[in-house]
Amino acid sequence: KAGVTQTPRYLIKTRGQQVTLSCSPISGHRSVSWYQQTPGQGLQFLFEYFSETQRNKGNFPGRFSGRQFSNSRSEMNVSTLELGDSALYLCASSLGGGLRAPDTQYFGPGTRLTVL
Amino acid sequence: EDQVTQSPEALRLQEGESSSLNCSYTVSGLRGLFWYRQDPGKGPEFLFTLYSAGEEKEKERLKATLTKKESFLHITAPKPEDSATYLCAVPGSARQLTFGSGTQLTVLP
Repeated sequence: KAGVTQTPRYLIKTRGQQVTLSCSPISGHRSVSWYQQTPGQGLQFLFEYFSETQRNKGNFPGRFSGRQFSNSRSEMNVSTLELGDSALYLCASSLGGGLRAPDTQYFGPGTRLTVL
Repeated sequence: EDQVTQSPEALRLQEGESSSLNCSYTVSGLRGLFWYRQDPGKGPEFLFTLYSAGEEKEKERLKATLTKKESFLHITAPKPEDSATYLCAVPGSARQLTFGSGTQLTVLP
């Protein structure tokens, strides 16, 4: 089975611009979660999508948004980029249906965003 | 609020020198604990899930254990290819993962 794929792998943007990142989950996985990883804050949860609905959201400003399509592929968008948005953005997919035992999340390689 | 603390922050071992990494957690009702390995510039790679105190999982030179307050990742006779950052995480009530800051392991030949 193919793993989680993310595109693009690297991005360079300037302050004030917006960016869209894409994630294709493992076939059959319906949940996609996004995380931001920085050296100072580590891995932090952004949001989770399941069946095209945002099911959970982390503590990030509204500039960070996302969506999920009917084929479970997901995009996240960051508007009005700030220098502090420079990070590795990771997408993780899971089966998503479990309400008791948590699903294992499988991560993609990430998109490295640099904001100048 | 869920909290995960990993120690040590960094660990240097000689090849073959066994050791353990620690992950202590504070959660309102443990729903499981995950271990991941992350190589530089890559996404975390899943290693283990532990669901209840007393549970143990093994994979090659790695063994993960879980108590009511902490988890250990034991590395037996490590090799240079085991060098990576090891992350532990706990799921919240809404399935989001709270990660520790990781232990950066370096195994010298």
